[in-house]
Amino acid sequence: DTEVTQTPKHLVMGMTNKKSLKCEQHMGHRAMYWYKQKAKKPPELMFVYSYEKLSINESVPSRFSPECPNSSLLNLHLHALQPEDSALYLCASSQVFTVPYEQYFGPGTRLTVT
Amino acid sequence: TQLLEQSPQFLSIQEGENLTVYCNSSSVFSSLQWYRQEPGEGPVLLVTVVTGGEVKKLKRLTFQFGDARKDSSLHITAAQPGDTGLYLCAGYEAGTALIFGKGTTLSVSS
Repeated sequence: DTEVTQTPKHLVMGMTNKKSLKCEQHMGHRAMYWYKQKAKKPPELMFVYSYEKLSINESVPSRFSPECPNSSLLNLHLHALQPEDSALYLCASSQVFTVPYEQYFGPGTRLTVT
Repeated sequence: TQLLEQSPQFLSIQEGENLTVYCNSSSVFSSLQWYRQEPGEGPVLLVTVVTGGEVKKLKRLTFQFGDARKDSSLHITAAQPGDTGLYLCAGYEAGTALIFGKGTTLSVSS
């Protein structure tokens, strides 16, 4: 099973709202990732968690706050977003970070900020 | 910073035609992955190539990793409308995150 699940599938939020995106994998992977993707562009890395610790933050604005409660779960907390933050948010996982194992992606959350 | 140059950026062909997508870099990668992504969905891993000169086949798709592990190609034989999507190459250098090419948007019409 190489499934990464993400909820919700779609999310519409106002600029003053607080919401969270959730990601889950049960492959025993110890590296989890958040990406942001605009239409017809490649995914842009936002955060990397390795063994539940934040390893990489690609200078992401503080209105995005990641959290890794355990090795299977990854959350992305959203607050005071801007319309330009509207995008497809992808979660991915791999066995470990820093070694070239394959990354498996979830289906994404389509976020619209109004 | 490593870069992956992917070409062509857009490709529109008729069903039954063959095509090749290229992924090039000036740097060496320890492995390279190809993904296909449909609109509104996450990328789906097609193949990973690791050894220089490696060729892998997946039905009508043929993937090749360059001898020097700096480039890769994806060849599709007799394209079908179901092949339509965004094709992404992505490379790993040890100790870094996955580096993506800009992608090739393929449209196959019947």
